[in-house]
Amino acid sequence: GQQLNQSPQSMFIQEGEDVSMNCTSSSIFNTWLWYKQEPGEGPVLLIALYKAGELTSNGRLTAQFGITRKDSFLNISASIPSDVGIYFCAGRASGSARQLTFGSGTQLTVLP
Amino acid sequence: DTAVSQTPKYLVTQMGNDKSIKCEQNLGHDTMYWYKQDSKKFLKIMFSYNNKELIINETVPNRFSPKSPDKAHLNLHINSLELGDSAVYFCASSTPAGETQYFGPGTRLLVL
Repeated sequence: GQQLNQSPQSMFIQEGEDVSMNCTSSSIFNTWLWYKQEPGEGPVLLIALYKAGELTSNGRLTAQFGITRKDSFLNISASIPSDVGIYFCAGRASGSARQLTFGSGTQLTVLP
Repeated sequence: DTAVSQTPKYLVTQMGNDKSIKCEQNLGHDTMYWYKQDSKKFLKIMFSYNNKELIINETVPNRFSPKSPDKAHLNLHINSLELGDSAVYFCASSTPAGETQYFGPGTRLLVL
């Protein structure tokens, strides 16, 4: 089956810094999604990407669908304490119908 | 209004018991899912139903049985609970294309 490698596994940054994380897959994906999970909650959709090369922003968050269709990036600019959480990438491979494959998550800690 | 809701939020039970988790979505979606999130936060799909029909059934012990009385509800029944079943179980829903999935708040199951 498809595998997603998400990195880094964890990040400790100072408030105000920019953050980058990425996911790579072993196969071509048609859709990339980025979710954020806060403690005690379910994952919340941040950004959805549907086309290779697509660059989409949501406030201070920007995500890109890689040209090769095997990777995606999420950037957070000017981080704030409420950015703390686990960020997951998820992708849907061609022919996998509704099935999403999730990355292992990036635990983000923002230090004041 | 909560889009995807689950009950209970916490479930503590003894090994060998049978328990059920309920999920409801008011998004008008046709497709619903159950995911298991382990202690390392890895999210793995268990089942998917489209309009009350099972469409994804990953390698899950047959002690786990999903039931969808209508397209807005997907319940998960677990027989003979084992210690390894302890995890957070998330329900999600999506449109039939499955492009984006919306998650419930999770049910934290602890088997003693």
